[in-house]
Amino acid sequence: DAGITQSPRHKVTETGTPVTLRCHQTENHRYMYWYRQDPGHGLRLIHYSYGVKDTDKGEVSDGYSVSRSKTEDFLLTLESATSSQTSVYFCAISLGQSDTQYFGPGTRLTVL
Amino acid sequence: KNEVEQSPQNLTAQEGEFITINCSYSVGISALHWLQQHPGGGIVSLFMLSSGKKKHGRLIATINIQEKHSSLHITASHPRDSAVYICAVFVGSQGNLIFGKGTKLSVKP
Repeated sequence: DAGITQSPRHKVTETGTPVTLRCHQTENHRYMYWYRQDPGHGLRLIHYSYGVKDTDKGEVSDGYSVSRSKTEDFLLTLESATSSQTSVYFCAISLGQSDTQYFGPGTRLTVL
Repeated sequence: KNEVEQSPQNLTAQEGEFITINCSYSVGISALHWLQQHPGGGIVSLFMLSSGKKKHGRLIATINIQEKHSSLHITASHPRDSAVYICAVFVGSQGNLIFGKGTKLSVKP
């Protein structure tokens, strides 16, 4: 299994508070992704990174920001959490852009 | 607009049955992925293919680029195959995977 961890695994927070989710990899893969998964939707891309300090927006990027200061870490920040951001968040990594993606275990976020 | 459609949405089978899950897409792609999401939530990549057929154990994936269609087959199904199976396509112009909503498979003993 690819070495990908996510922290925290579960979080409950209140509307308006900032939240940061962390994705850590030990595989030295170039690409890292943040997805959200909601009932009735497929996985949807929030942001992705193609290298240190290189990031781009995905399909559902509004309300989210990301940072990648090291190859192994990709942070997802909700500046001011809203109830619509209650979801399960998955991090994934891949060697190349169209290559197999390896997923982290997920973070369940609840915004009250 | 759903660029990736999976069918059926839900599937219940008896142990031992041959199972087929279908994926149709509406855009030009360079690769198609099949993933499995376990009941506990973990997601595992099963196949990546751009043409023809791939086999791994009891799982077989096929793709017809001209018809924009892929199938995932499971032979001799087992209760441990119960999971959500997700199809995703890589569209070069968009640079990322586009996912189907998944097919929930339940295999009864």
